Amino acid sequence: DAMVIQNPRYQVTQFGKPVTLSCSQTLNHNVMYWYQQKSSQAPKLLFHYYDKDFNNEADTPDNFQSRRPNTSFCFLDIRSPGLGDAAMYLCATSRDGQKNEKLFFGSGTQLSVL
Amino acid sequence: GDSVTQMEGPVTLSEEAFLTINCTYTATGYPSLFWYVQYPGEGLQLLLKATKADDKGSNKGFEATYRKETTSFHLEKGSVQVSDSAVYFCALSDAGGTSYGKLTFGQGTILTVHP
Repeated sequence: DAMVIQNPRYQVTQFGKPVTLSCSQTLNHNVMYWYQQKSSQAPKLLFHYYDKDFNNEADTPDNFQSRRPNTSFCFLDIRSPGLGDAAMYLCATSRDGQKNEKLFFGSGTQLSVL
Repeated sequence: GDSVTQMEGPVTLSEEAFLTINCTYTATGYPSLFWYVQYPGEGLQLLLKATKADDKGSNKGFEATYRKETTSFHLEKGSVQVSDSAVYFCALSDAGGTSYGKLTFGQGTILTVHP
């Protein structure tokens, strides 16, 4: 029944070692989002796609990249993780990105950087 | 830019107590307002929403009214249960241009309900 699936649930990487987080959806939604949530803070939008149209937030570090090879999948690449990148990463979707639509969230990937 | 401010937590209540979690917002346009809930080990899920001034969103005994004059969207429940223990996020969406429904969140309020 899971509609937005994130793998893995927990990811451990080393300082500076590239890491990829994945997200898939069975909803056929047009918009996919990546949020970063640090402990006791608000989820912060990194970027989002409308179909293949990529939208980066102005304050998202260059270290963070994303790919959406098809409607169902979206990836978050962290090129050189630092200790400050340890966080929960949330993937979400919405059907058409209208402001009154709800977002569907995955369970998140908890990233640790050693 | 847009912002959302929630009351500081954590909030600890006894079962059947009345709950209020305050939320105020700043937005340039006419946003839609949401409350999302995150149960332990799960992703965020929509609790309720309101899309215009004076609308009331409600679900599972929770209510919130969109107050444009006070820029607020406070969450209330008359009688909380242990199963309501979770983190509650207030959020707004002020989509336009390439915003595509992106949400701006408050920092979240942890609610713990004791039997």
